[in-house]
Amino acid sequence: AQSVAQPEDQVNVAEGNPLTVKCTYSVSGNPYLFWYVQYPNRGLQFLLKYITGDNLVKGSYGFEAEFNKSQTSFHLKKPSALVSDSALYFCAVRDPGSNYQLIWGAGTKLIIKP
Amino acid sequence: DTEVTQTPKHLVMGMTNKKSLKCEQHMGHRAMYWYKQKAKKPPELMFVYSYEKLSINESVPSRFSPECPNSSLLNLHLHALQPEDSALYLCASSQAGTGAGNTIYFGEGSWLTVV
Repeated sequence: AQSVAQPEDQVNVAEGNPLTVKCTYSVSGNPYLFWYVQYPNRGLQFLLKYITGDNLVKGSYGFEAEFNKSQTSFHLKKPSALVSDSALYFCAVRDPGSNYQLIWGAGTKLIIKP
Repeated sequence: DTEVTQTPKHLVMGMTNKKSLKCEQHMGHRAMYWYKQKAKKPPELMFVYSYEKLSINESVPSRFSPECPNSSLLNLHLHALQPEDSALYLCASSQAGTGAGNTIYFGEGSWLTVV
């Protein structure tokens, strides 16, 4: 079965430190992977995606993600966290049988402390 | 800033009311979506329109009725809702057709409370 796992419900990081939000996936065929962020009381914003090519993908707001095929992971990273990065982060993978459906992780709440 | 605009931002309705949520996108996309999201949970797909035709209905109760008047507009008509339907309703759009790498862009959502 196709699935996405975000193993941490919450991640706490001090401002200025590097951050990692973890995502692993299980999908048949080539994975198309996405990260979205949701700030409090807002809609979802697209951060970045991996389709093919370079395993390190750069996205919005200084975020990047590393695709690791052998570990079936797509972890979101940022070298230096800001308090304003505090939000809910969702990893998703395209359902292989659909052009429109995404399989979502449960979400990780990121808290950046000053 | 999102180019998917949703109105109203907040809606309170009684269980016997009829109301509508509206969505407009200005990205030239030909696929539009409705999602439902409960607090701190991932969004759940409800409907997808592709080239103005209903492509996916995820077994949504008939008290939710989607409509796609043209390639830029998407409505969700609400009737006889239940309190458990209270949620954030997200509209989204993407390029249509083949292309598993197409990005889905979301609006800010409409907060619905059913009383």
